[in-house]
Amino acid sequence: DQQVKQNSPSLSVQEGRISILNCDYTNSMFDYFLWYKKYPAEGPTFLISISSIKDKNEDGRFTVFLNKSAKHLSLHIVPSQPGDSAVYFCAVSSYGQNFVFGPGTRLSVLP
Amino acid sequence: DAGVIQSPRHEVTEMGQEVTLRCKPISGHNSLFWYRQTMMRGLELLIYFNNNVPIDDSGMPEDRFSAKMPNASFSTLKIQPSEPRDSAVYFCASSLNRVNYGYTFGSGTRLTVV
Repeated sequence: DQQVKQNSPSLSVQEGRISILNCDYTNSMFDYFLWYKKYPAEGPTFLISISSIKDKNEDGRFTVFLNKSAKHLSLHIVPSQPGDSAVYFCAVSSYGQNFVFGPGTRLSVLP
Repeated sequence: DAGVIQSPRHEVTEMGQEVTLRCKPISGHNSLFWYRQTMMRGLELLIYFNNNVPIDDSGMPEDRFSAKMPNASFSTLKIQPSEPRDSAVYFCASSLNRVNYGYTFGSGTRLTVV
């Protein structure tokens, strides 16, 4: 059974609009959450993180929201740019444990 | 720092052959991870090392897979014998103490077994 789910395999958004990528997890013990971005033929790269003591973390155009009661986090990209087109993975962990990755969502930002 | 370095970038081999994937982690990182990415399962953790010692290999699919880390700057993932279902992209990642800002990934090795 998957501990981390990203139920949208793909998402298309118009340039300049908001992209919202979602991630759900099953274990309430998870307390640290990351988003990674992956371009073709490259390894995933760290994008933004949030710990369970916060419900929002912002870095430029990227904001991660955490809803602990719903075991849900989301990544907002605004405004979306064509260079944001990539596969986005969420990753979760509890302290001292390894990260568990979701299956990824492929974002396409259309010019 | 050159980041996590993996070789080869691409490997095509015939079923039954031995395949060895190589990884050089970031200097100073003490944790190393091998992941496999497939369309069906996303990123799966195969094995991780802490201070060159294998800690958890529960993700290794079968005995055909083995991994070693003879020193802090080098690790190998070996598949013997290889099968077509092993075709995937294999990533190596390293980190300092596993926590903080996650892992730094290499560019991956795309393995095709025909």
